[in-house]
Amino acid sequence: GAGVSQSPSNKVTEKGKDVELRCDPISGHTALYWYRQSLGQGLEFLIYFQGNSAPDKSGLPSDRFSAERTGGSVSTLTIQRTQQEDSAVYLCASSLTPGTGGYNEQFFGPGTRLTVL
Amino acid sequence: EDQVTQSPEALRLQEGESSSLNCSYTVSGLRGLFWYRQDPGKGPEFLFTLYSAGEEKEKERLKATLTKKESFLHITAPKPEDSATYLCAVPRSSGGSYIPTFGRGTSLIVHP
Repeated sequence: GAGVSQSPSNKVTEKGKDVELRCDPISGHTALYWYRQSLGQGLEFLIYFQGNSAPDKSGLPSDRFSAERTGGSVSTLTIQRTQQEDSAVYLCASSLTPGTGGYNEQFFGPGTRLTVL
Repeated sequence: EDQVTQSPEALRLQEGESSSLNCSYTVSGLRGLFWYRQDPGKGPEFLFTLYSAGEEKEKERLKATLTKKESFLHITAPKPEDSATYLCAVPRSSGGSYIPTFGRGTSLIVHP
């Protein structure tokens, strides 16, 4: 079956421009996560969607970052007024509804490499 | 503060040379420890979940073990195709949900 897909795979933009990154999760996965991975760094959590609940935005680094998830499926991460420090790989992951354990293994997309000039 | 620390940062092995990667964690109420493999230019790929101290999981040349403070990923007789970055993650409580905290990973290179 289809895995998690992300688009575009690469995005080069100029400082100050807005960008939108898209994530298509695995069908039936109610949980969706966005991460940022900089060179040599670990995965930095950005935002988490679970079903119709309010998203956990605790990882968003500034108010220039926002995300939405329409119809419980596709998600878009928007970065406004991009800065050079926003350059990184942005990864999306989805998982089944967390059970009583609170967490299931994640399935990651290939990522979007963002370069801000 | 919940933390996940992986060591070493990088590891070079000769083909067939067994070794272990470490993931130590400080989190209250462990709800599982997860190992992922990440190849260059790709997203992480799930390997194992461990839930309780003493638990072990195996997959081909990899075996993951868990204690109350750390997890080990043992690689037996590695091959060049095992070269990748190995990540561990521990869920942390966040406003009623659980968000995985990832370590920085161990970059493994296996030379033929």
